[in-house]
Amino acid sequence: GAGVSQSPSNKVTEKGKDVELRCDPISGHTALYWYRQRLGQGLEFLIYFQGNSAPDKSGLPSDRFSAERTGESVSTLTIQRTQQEDSAVYLCASSLERGTGTQYFGPGTRLLVL
Amino acid sequence: AQSVTQPDIHITVSEGASLELRCNYSYGATPYLFWYVQSPGQGLQLLLKYFSGDTLVQGIKGFEAEFKRSQSSFNLRKPSVHWSDAAEYFCAVGSPGANNLFFGTGTRLTVIP
Repeated sequence: GAGVSQSPSNKVTEKGKDVELRCDPISGHTALYWYRQRLGQGLEFLIYFQGNSAPDKSGLPSDRFSAERTGESVSTLTIQRTQQEDSAVYLCASSLERGTGTQYFGPGTRLLVL
Repeated sequence: AQSVTQPDIHITVSEGASLELRCNYSYGATPYLFWYVQSPGQGLQLLLKYFSGDTLVQGIKGFEAEFKRSQSSFNLRKPSVHWSDAAEYFCAVGSPGANNLFFGTGTRLTVIP
């Protein structure tokens, strides 16, 4: 595709509900990243996928957060039992290579937990 | 541990004036350095990056940045700012073999006529 796409663009949910965020990376990009951006903050790394290797989950803030990716395609980030502090913009990025590869970002999903 | 500091939270410049956004990093070896720009409602767009070689790198939209190892800095510059440059700017650092980038907290640029 032309770029990284994410859906939904906005999500409002009630505290305690589960949410699922979707990321479609650029075709052919083996690496996929999820970041969280809280209001007025920089980007916080959450999780990284590289091909069929085991993901790097070192940035996930709690066990309520999980993510999946099948091969080199779509990824979903799931937040269970959402809390108000989960409110943020969730950004997905993909790249041809890990680490040094230029990361191309999607527009993000703005999550608001009431 | 890697970290990035952008000491200026908000900068206001007049259109046509020069711009310098500061970025300092902490990393034990030669880092990979990036500048991204985020316009309202948009995703992050890469302006430029430094991996090795010439320490002055040119990017898109007339931006440039200079890697200064002795100062652990990678400041972003533009000689003449345009109103469309108003946005949030993020500096990021990566390293060979690392899985992710570390981002600064961003600098918001306002351009006044």
